[in-house]
Amino acid sequence: QVLLQESGPGLVKPSETLSLTCTVSDASIRTYYWSWIRQPPGKGLESIGYIHYTGDTNYNPSLKSRVTISLDTSKNQFSLTLNSVSAADTAVYYCARTARVPDMWGQGAMVTVSS
Amino acid sequence: DVVMTQSPLSLSVTPGQPASISCRSSQGLVYSNGNIYLNWFQQRPGQSPRRLIYMVSNRDSGVPDRFSGSGSGTDFTLKISGVEAEDVGVYYCMQGTHWPWTFGQGTKVEI
Repeated sequence: QVLLQESGPGLVKPSETLSLTCTVSDASIRTYYWSWIRQPPGKGLESIGYIHYTGDTNYNPSLKSRVTISLDTSKNQFSLTLNSVSAADTAVYYCARTARVPDMWGQGAMVTVSS
Repeated sequence: DVVMTQSPLSLSVTPGQPASISCRSSQGLVYSNGNIYLNWFQQRPGQSPRRLIYMVSNRDSGVPDRFSGSGSGTDFTLKISGVEAEDVGVYYCMQGTHWPWTFGQGTKVEI
């Protein structure tokens, strides 16, 4: 059973950088694609982007100028960086294994943007 | 972006009774390989989303057979043949054909 666990700061100041890491257990990160999705409090789901170990990445155009997704095969982890955050970026951030679409999700990490 | 519109947004069901959720896409969802990447997710209170159905009508492993998906073109449906207490939560349709993937607004199912 593949397990995904998000980790990172739960509070980020406006204009600063949000950074999260997803640790993958019981599966090699060299298989599948891996993605990030977020859910603002009480709202719906928004896809952020995805990555493959070959370097193939794709980002939501609405976030593209601020987002980077990277991958560390030695640690079996992948990461999300979102620059210049504002209150609108407050959300639960999920990492997910992706076989064409996300099929297995982590438990989520709540990130609040506030001074 | 492809807009996914679900209806109803809220559903109150008696245990054992059927339930149906509709999802309409603003564009066709047939990918270049002929597949239709229309998925359904269940999000129980306080939990992360769990995929129930992929490619319109295929149940994920461990999903009870009371859940079924159907549809074509731009209209899709999730049916629960007999709702159980554990089915309470929010259900989302999601298209994975066009990037960015987009989700419906969610349908809250209550008992």
